[in-house]
Amino acid sequence: GNSVTQMEGPVTLSEEAFLTINCTYTATGYPSLFWYVQYPGEGLQLLLKATKADDKGSNKGFEATYRKETTSFHLEKGSVQVSDSAVYFCALSADQGGSEKLVFGKGTKLTVNP
Amino acid sequence: DSGVTQTPKHLITATGQRVTLRCSPRSGDLSVYWYQQSLDQGLQFLIQYYNGEERAKGNILERFSAQQFPDLHSELNLSSLELGDSALYFCASSVGVDTSYEQYFGPGTRLTVT
Repeated sequence: GNSVTQMEGPVTLSEEAFLTINCTYTATGYPSLFWYVQYPGEGLQLLLKATKADDKGSNKGFEATYRKETTSFHLEKGSVQVSDSAVYFCALSADQGGSEKLVFGKGTKLTVNP
Repeated sequence: DSGVTQTPKHLITATGQRVTLRCSPRSGDLSVYWYQQSLDQGLQFLIQYYNGEERAKGNILERFSAQQFPDLHSELNLSSLELGDSALYFCASSVGVDTSYEQYFGPGTRLTVT
């Protein structure tokens, strides 16, 4: 079936450090891939997405590239800020049982210290 | 603020009881999705409605049901509650029927079953 595996957290970084959160997926067909962010006490927000191989999604300094050969969609940011502290979810959209559904990873909690 | 509202914010009830969670989508959005977020299962898709009709089903228990009304608000009914149903329940809305359209998440309803 379709599934997403992302690195276990929590991740703690100092401000201006480089961030990588690994995400790999298993899917039949050609899924779309997403990163969502959940700030404390809020619902999820779409951070970026990519719909086909070699696409790069980017937003707010975050980037992720759809790598079909390694079935990966790693999230990166060159210089994190305290305000980036949140839980990050990798997700895929794929057809399951005749309709498309989002399948999420377990989430990675990021804490950025000043 | 995503524009999606959910009530109540918190709900505490006993095992065996029944509760109703309510969701109002963003203005103009026709799709409503329900998700369950728990520590052990992560974030799981439950069910989707589009313009009043059930569109897709995920890992929704038979004790759970949902509907979308003509004004497009949606309700998730949970019955014969068990301790394991304690979770954060999110509603999301989007303008279109499939997952290529961005989903906007509400702040969630935290259900505690004692």
